[in-house]
Amino acid sequence: AQSVAQPEDQVNVAEGNPLTVKCTYSVSGNPYLFWYVQYPNRGLQFLLKYITGDNLVKGSYGFEAEFNKSQTSFHLKKPSALVSDSALYFCAVRDTSNYQLIWGAGTKLIIKP
Amino acid sequence: ETGVTQTPRHLVMGMTNKKSLKCEQHLGHNAMYWYKQSAKKPLELMFVYSLEERVENNSVPSRFSPECPNSSHLFLHLHTLQPEDSALYLCASSQDQGWTNEKLFFGSGTQLSVL
Repeated sequence: AQSVAQPEDQVNVAEGNPLTVKCTYSVSGNPYLFWYVQYPNRGLQFLLKYITGDNLVKGSYGFEAEFNKSQTSFHLKKPSALVSDSALYFCAVRDTSNYQLIWGAGTKLIIKP
Repeated sequence: ETGVTQTPRHLVMGMTNKKSLKCEQHLGHNAMYWYKQSAKKPLELMFVYSLEERVENNSVPSRFSPECPNSSHLFLHLHTLQPEDSALYLCASSQDQGWTNEKLFFGSGTQLSVL
């Protein structure tokens, strides 16, 4: 079965430090991978996607993600965290059978001043 | 502003009530979606409409009834809900459904509480 796992419910990072939010996936065929962010009392917003090409994908708000085929991972990263990055982050992969998104359970990112 | 508007923002209803959630998108998209978001769970896709035709219905109980009168509007009609239906209901749109590299645009959601 196709699936997405976000192994951490919560990640705590000090402001200015690098951050990583982890995501692993299982899908048949080529993966199409996405990261979305949800700020409090808001809907989800698209951050970035991997379709093909360079394994390092750059997205909005200084975020980037690294696609690793051998480890079936797509971790979200940022070199220097801001307090305003505190939010809920969702990883998703496109289901190759019906093209709908399969979502992870989300990771709450807390950036402390 | 994402271009997808949902009303109401909050809704409290009893199990015998009938209510409707409304979604409107101003992006000229052809596909619209209803998702259910529960704490610490993956988003659950409920319904997908493409060009006003329902193309996906993920085994959702019949107490949830969608309606898509045109490509800009989507409704979710609710009746005889259960307490476990309490959740954030998100509407989303995309240019077309089924494209592998397409992104979704979400509304802010309706926080539903069933008493």
